[in-house]
Amino acid sequence: GESVGLHLPTLSVQEGDNSIINCAYSNSASDYFIWYKQESGKGPQFIIDIRSNMDKRQGQRVTVLLNKTVKHLSLQIAATQPGDSAVYFCAETFNYGQNFVFGPGTRLSVLP
Amino acid sequence: DSGVTQTPKHLITATGQRVTLRCSPRSGDLSVYWYQQSLDQGLQFLIQYYNGEERAKGNILERFSAQQFPDLHSELNLSSLELGDSALYFCASSVGQGFGYEQYFGPGTRLTVT
Repeated sequence: GESVGLHLPTLSVQEGDNSIINCAYSNSASDYFIWYKQESGKGPQFIIDIRSNMDKRQGQRVTVLLNKTVKHLSLQIAATQPGDSAVYFCAETFNYGQNFVFGPGTRLSVLP
Repeated sequence: DSGVTQTPKHLITATGQRVTLRCSPRSGDLSVYWYQQSLDQGLQFLIQYYNGEERAKGNILERFSAQQFPDLHSELNLSSLELGDSALYFCASSVGQGFGYEQYFGPGTRLTVT
């Protein structure tokens, strides 16, 4: 597969544990945030999104938390499974949707 | 399978050359987005088209251009290629115009410039 960022920060978790992946964003005017999952050799895949007027949103086994005060976004994955191993990116939009910026990514490694 | 197709899968070319990458969006999607993913720059948004018209522009170099055709497929043209242009190029599509719509990514084209 393709190497996506050889020097990405890595989070290793035990199968079945919960994972928390963090992202700091830079633009206080950002109004929409998205988490993507990228498996080796594939394009990014949408996981969950949140608008700036919310502070929490839940999906299936995933929760996104937004703290606008400290410009911080997190993705929580419950009961992490081997299939969750991938690189996770946060992304933000600003300037009335004219700009779209990805974070550097975090590699999640699920240990058996 | 996202429903977005990209060709070619791999492309190897020399510096100074010009290449064209092709993307077919999911059926029914009107927006096409292009992204570049490299080891040093990460994932970067290049440009977006909606129903044939340019809608948003990111960090796209002047040597690069794109267009979306009436059948909604899109092409990304890269010219005067440099070693630093070696990267994965992804296309994504969505049903609506803005970034607020879920984007579906293709498998990417790996460009190697030698």
